[in-house]
Amino acid sequence: QQQVKQSPQSLIVQKGGISIINCAYENTAFDYFPWYQQFPGKGPALLIAIRPDVSEKKEGRFTISFNKSAKQFSLHIMDSQPGDSATYFCAAWGGSGNTGKLIFGQGTTLQVKP
Amino acid sequence: EPEVTQTPSHQVTQMGQEVILRCVPISNHLYFYWYRQILGQKVEFLVSFYNNEISEKSEIFDDQFSVERPDGSNFTLKIRSTKLEDSAMYFCASRPDPQKLFFGSGTQLSVL
Repeated sequence: QQQVKQSPQSLIVQKGGISIINCAYENTAFDYFPWYQQFPGKGPALLIAIRPDVSEKKEGRFTISFNKSAKQFSLHIMDSQPGDSATYFCAAWGGSGNTGKLIFGQGTTLQVKP
Repeated sequence: EPEVTQTPSHQVTQMGQEVILRCVPISNHLYFYWYRQILGQKVEFLVSFYNNEISEKSEIFDDQFSVERPDGSNFTLKIRSTKLEDSAMYFCASRPDPQKLFFGSGTQLSVL
């Protein structure tokens, strides 16, 4: 199974709140799980990433939680700011060497209200 | 900071016409990709390219599509005979050996 399922489709959070976006996958061969942030009219930009041998990774206000047994991972944005308003994509790296590629989730549109 | 550069940013074409989308990947990267994103939908893999040949392609990447690295810096996506359903944002991406993929800002293709 090459799919990555992402929820919710959209999210509205008040400034200062916590934004949580969830993803699930089926293929246990996936070995790298990045989150990308996309602003309108721009390409996806790498935000933070994790490998399955780690349960949590934190970079500033952004944290990935990874549950290998459940095949789920989530992005937490602490102290959400209006500038965080964007579309967030989880992804998984499938394949190896020359045939590796990112498989994206459906995306979550985050709106942070002032 | 090095970045992936795509031109043009917008391309309007008539159905049945050929288009070439251009990309300059980051200079020391070895792997190159094209993805597309139909408005409001997820980013979809089209093709990967390494060592001057296609490594993998999706079912979207049919005979109407081709890729080329004509020189040491450019990477192009050609659509031979565009269809209405080809209208999308096309992203070029590149990576060094690890899995970190860097995306360009995209070319918005509109087929009329």
